[in-house]
Amino acid sequence: DQQVKQNSPSLSVQEGRISILNCDYTNSMFDYFLWYKKYPAEGPTFLISISSIKDKNEDGRFTVFLNKSAKHLSLHIVPSQPGDSAVYFCAASGGNTGKLIFGQGTTLQVKP
Amino acid sequence: ETGVTQTPRHLVMGMTNKKSLKCEQHLGHNAMYWYKQSAKKPLELMFVYNFKEQTENNSVPSRFSPECPNSSHLFLHLHTLQPEDSALYLCASSQGGQAQYQETQYFGPGTRLLVL
Repeated sequence: DQQVKQNSPSLSVQEGRISILNCDYTNSMFDYFLWYKKYPAEGPTFLISISSIKDKNEDGRFTVFLNKSAKHLSLHIVPSQPGDSAVYFCAASGGNTGKLIFGQGTTLQVKP
Repeated sequence: ETGVTQTPRHLVMGMTNKKSLKCEQHLGHNAMYWYKQSAKKPLELMFVYNFKEQTENNSVPSRFSPECPNSSHLFLHLHTLQPEDSALYLCASSQGGQAQYQETQYFGPGTRLLVL
């Protein structure tokens, strides 16, 4: 039973355009959500997070949107750059456990 | 050194070998984690330590044995592994404390393990 799902295994976007990565979750107890980026041969790098008390958080080119009623979050990257090409993981946690549940990842390719 | 480091970066071992993975964090954190990432699968949490105490064992087989001698170091001792244990093993750390609430975890580069 996968509690965090990224249904698109890959996404290809032209440089300068918007990249939208999606994530769905099933556990209504989740109250903190994160996006990580991973390059080959490296560990995941934290990108941006959002608490369930918000519906949007922005950091430079990266914006995360949270729709609690739909149990859906998305990461927008605009404008997309070739260096953004990586695997993007969404993750969620709830309560006081600190336990992160990860999605399967979406591979983003930004073409020059 | 900064952040979270892991050694070795690559490891090949036979099923009868005993080896250890090492993780060190230089962030002043109190919680440390082991994750496993198999091909085409999400990261799976294996163990959690908070102030050197193990707080989570995610039904991990006993052939994986964690050790946390202090808040900065975490080991994963491996013995009699199976080929299906081949994966990327990632260490992470976070602030930790009484309530690990809404914490960001910071990851090391991982150890790529191949069991023959």
